[in-house]
Amino acid sequence: EAGVAQSPRYKIIEKRQSVAFWCNPISGHATLYWYQQILGQGPKLLIQFQNNGVVDDSQLPKDRFSAERLKGVDSTLKIQPAKLEDSAVYLCASSLGDSGGAPDTQYFGPGTRLTVL
Amino acid sequence: AQSVTQLDSQVPVFEEAPVELRCNYSSSVSVYLFWYVQYPNQGLQLLLKYLSGSTLVKGINGFEAEFNKSQTSFHLRKPSVHISDTAEYFCAVTHVPSGGSYIPTFGRGTSLIVHP
Repeated sequence: EAGVAQSPRYKIIEKRQSVAFWCNPISGHATLYWYQQILGQGPKLLIQFQNNGVVDDSQLPKDRFSAERLKGVDSTLKIQPAKLEDSAVYLCASSLGDSGGAPDTQYFGPGTRLTVL
Repeated sequence: AQSVTQLDSQVPVFEEAPVELRCNYSSSVSVYLFWYVQYPNQGLQLLLKYLSGSTLVKGINGFEAEFNKSQTSFHLRKPSVHISDTAEYFCAVTHVPSGGSYIPTFGRGTSLIVHP
């Protein structure tokens, strides 16, 4: 079974530029998550999708970050414009989305390491 | 609100020695607890989880954790570590939602360094 795929693996941009990350979840997984992991910290949830609908985006900086999952499969996360403090690893995870009321096991991709200069 | 505290940022240990990585949480409601491992340049992988039932949870790679409700702790243990256990370990908590979805909160991580 293929895991969660993310691209690119690394990205270096200058501040005020735009950047987009792509995630393809495990086939059949209804729930998709984007996390931001700043160096030395644990992952912070940015947005959670159930199929193509947003379940939670309370920690997404909506003035510069956006995400979509148009067909309920793969997803893109965009930053426009980027700031220095956006330097982090962006992790995508997916889960089945139907575990009988208990939280799902999340499966994580390898992440995209973003450096903003 | 929920939070997770991993008390040690780094734990050095010799190969074949036992290890305990500490995790404390705060939440005003019932919680679910997780431990994840992150190897260099890889994504997170689930080690084990506590949902309900027995407070002693066994996971992959010989790890186990014990849920202690009175001490609000979920410490991770392994009786004998291997060089390959060198990695970053994250404790996470999610609570029973009130009409919403499960939102996980992660700790800052503990770096386990196994020396030969």
